[in-house]
Amino acid sequence: QSVLTQPPSASGTPGQRVTISCSGSSSNIGSNYVYWYQQFPGTAPKLLIYKSNQRPSGVPDRISGSKSGTSASLAISGLRSEDEADYYCAAWDDSLRGNVFGTGTKVTVL
Amino acid sequence: QVQLQESGPGLVKPSQTLSLTCTVTGVSISSAGYLWSWVRQPAGKGLEWIGRMFNTGITNYNPSLKSRVTISLDASKNKFSLKLSSVTAADTAVYYCARGDESSGWGLAYWGQGALVTVSS
Repeated sequence: QSVLTQPPSASGTPGQRVTISCSGSSSNIGSNYVYWYQQFPGTAPKLLIYKSNQRPSGVPDRISGSKSGTSASLAISGLRSEDEADYYCAAWDDSLRGNVFGTGTKVTVL
Repeated sequence: QVQLQESGPGLVKPSQTLSLTCTVTGVSISSAGYLWSWVRQPAGKGLEWIGRMFNTGITNYNPSLKSRVTISLDASKNKFSLKLSSVTAADTAVYYCARGDESSGWGLAYWGQGALVTVSS
């Protein structure tokens, strides 16, 4: 059972902005960085955001991350068909002394 | 170019030990600034962090698996390994090895393609 909660699904039409939330607690998001991963069916996850709001090289700037208190968000602007994937948040948990992943959100482009 | 590749038996009997190896190319696993991690994903479900090891030998494990998990590095072969003992059907999953980079706050920037392990008699 994950300690980071995400909505199971999110959707939008091409060009729209979609936001995915990740709710945690003071022992994880509240005191540590948040990471976001994108995963297509049958493939390994890809790091999209690190240190809560930093993008690795190659990740477009229409993808952004933010954190406030014990929650974090991933925003995808200018939604494209190739954004249709599963998205996971992750963070270190000081109480568990381990990494935790979110429950995952499936993004659908209508 | 950094690449990671998982290998090991695809079928393990219940109560036995699951053993997987991750072969790393393009970088030395002994290099500072990296950690080496295992993550798994049951079919149709989310990601579960198993554990990680730094080049210094420091390890951290998922508390729910800690009593059964061992991660180790073999610098001479540039590989790292996962052992999970006393497996049950609940351990059936795709297992990924991954590298975390200090430059990305230990985010997992490089992943293997994944290895499906089925626990069944």
